[in-house]
Amino acid sequence: EAGVTQFPSHSVIEKGQTVTLRCDPISGHDNLYWYRRVMGKEIKFLLHFVKESKQDESGMPNNRFLAERTGGTYSTLKVQPAELEDSGVYFCASSSYLKSEQYFGPGTRLTVT
Amino acid sequence: AQSVTQLGSHVSVSEGALVLLRCNYSSSVPPYLFWYVQYPNQGLQLLLKYTSAATLVKGINDFEAEFKKSETSFHLTKPSAHMSDAAEYFCAVSDEYSSASKIIFGSGTRLSIRP
Repeated sequence: EAGVTQFPSHSVIEKGQTVTLRCDPISGHDNLYWYRRVMGKEIKFLLHFVKESKQDESGMPNNRFLAERTGGTYSTLKVQPAELEDSGVYFCASSSYLKSEQYFGPGTRLTVT
Repeated sequence: AQSVTQLGSHVSVSEGALVLLRCNYSSSVPPYLFWYVQYPNQGLQLLLKYTSAATLVKGINDFEAEFKKSETSFHLTKPSAHMSDAAEYFCAVSDEYSSASKIIFGSGTRLSIRP
């Protein structure tokens, strides 16, 4: 069984540009989560999808961040326009409906210069 | 509100020595507690989890953690450190009452192993 995959693994963009991160969850997992770790700080929750619906987006930092999960499969997280403080590692995780264990992807390292 | 505090951002032990990584939590509801590990250039991997069954939880690679409600602690231990244990370890908590709840992480402890 394939794990959670994320693309790209690393992205370097300039301030003001747009970046889109992609997450492919484990097949059949209804729950999909985005987390972020800013340099030197803790991993923080961003939002949670159940299938294609946003269940909890309380961690989204501001309206420059837009997450989608069309069709309830893969998800994208767009940052537009990117700011320096958006740099960090963005993790995606998925879980099945009945189990609490979340399986994490390898993360996307975003560097905004 | 739930929170996790990991004591020590960096811990160094000798190969073969006891590993002890400290974690205290705060939760207004019965928690699920986790330890995750991140090896260099890899994603987060679940080491073990506490879900209100046995208070002593055994995980992969001989790690274990004990849930102590009176101390609100969930410290991670391993009897004998290996060089391959060098990684960053995260203690985390989520809400027992929601099986799909978000996870709240501690700030992480980087474990170094001295030969």
